[in-house]
Amino acid sequence: QKEVEQNSGPLSVPEGAIASLNCTYSDRVSQSFFWYRQYSGKSPELIMSIYSNGDKEDGRFTAQLNKASQYVSLLIRDSQPSDSATYLCAVNIRRDSWGKLQFGAGTQVVVTP
Amino acid sequence: DGGITQSPKYLFRKEGQNVTLSCEQNLNHDAMYWYRQDPGQGLRLIYYSQIVNDFQKGDIAEGYSVSREKKESFPLTVTSAQKNPTAFYLCASSGGLGTLHFGNGTRLTVT
Repeated sequence: QKEVEQNSGPLSVPEGAIASLNCTYSDRVSQSFFWYRQYSGKSPELIMSIYSNGDKEDGRFTAQLNKASQYVSLLIRDSQPSDSATYLCAVNIRRDSWGKLQFGAGTQVVVTP
Repeated sequence: DGGITQSPKYLFRKEGQNVTLSCEQNLNHDAMYWYRQDPGQGLRLIYYSQIVNDFQKGDIAEGYSVSREKKESFPLTVTSAQKNPTAFYLCASSGGLGTLHFGNGTRLTVT
């Protein structure tokens, strides 16, 4: 079993709709969770971080964390063509090594006009 | 502006040759990382360093070597022992809280 799993997609979303991305992780002691966006041929950029159960909103993005179910999701509201990218879920287990993240393979999102 | 600079952007080498990828940061971050990305896959950790003169192997360190002689610099050498070196290599740094700042990457092709 992979440590961090995501559906590879592509996830096709009409412009203006909500894109829903899911991520599951295997280690119950995981502490920190991140969503990175990666445009084709570019490096990843952080868009959301979440550390406690519940929802966290930042603009059009909402991250949801459920540690009991080992599940973290990302919602993109009012999807725009510029949201077309691959979204990487990343999980950090130990507080003493913040950058030692385990990444999922990513979900490709395609927003259609 | 602060950031991470990787060079070169594209690199071509013949099989059997060692090659060194450069990574420099001016963010004053203690921790630096090297990741590898293959098409359709996530990032896999090669090496990381949390302090000058110290570094640790990641999940796929075989065939790679690093040094950390200065806080700003964390070069990666891809040796001839790496069986499948063609990939997109990403350097990152972290100031804490698990957030990574990435360079623009080096795309290495070995033929």
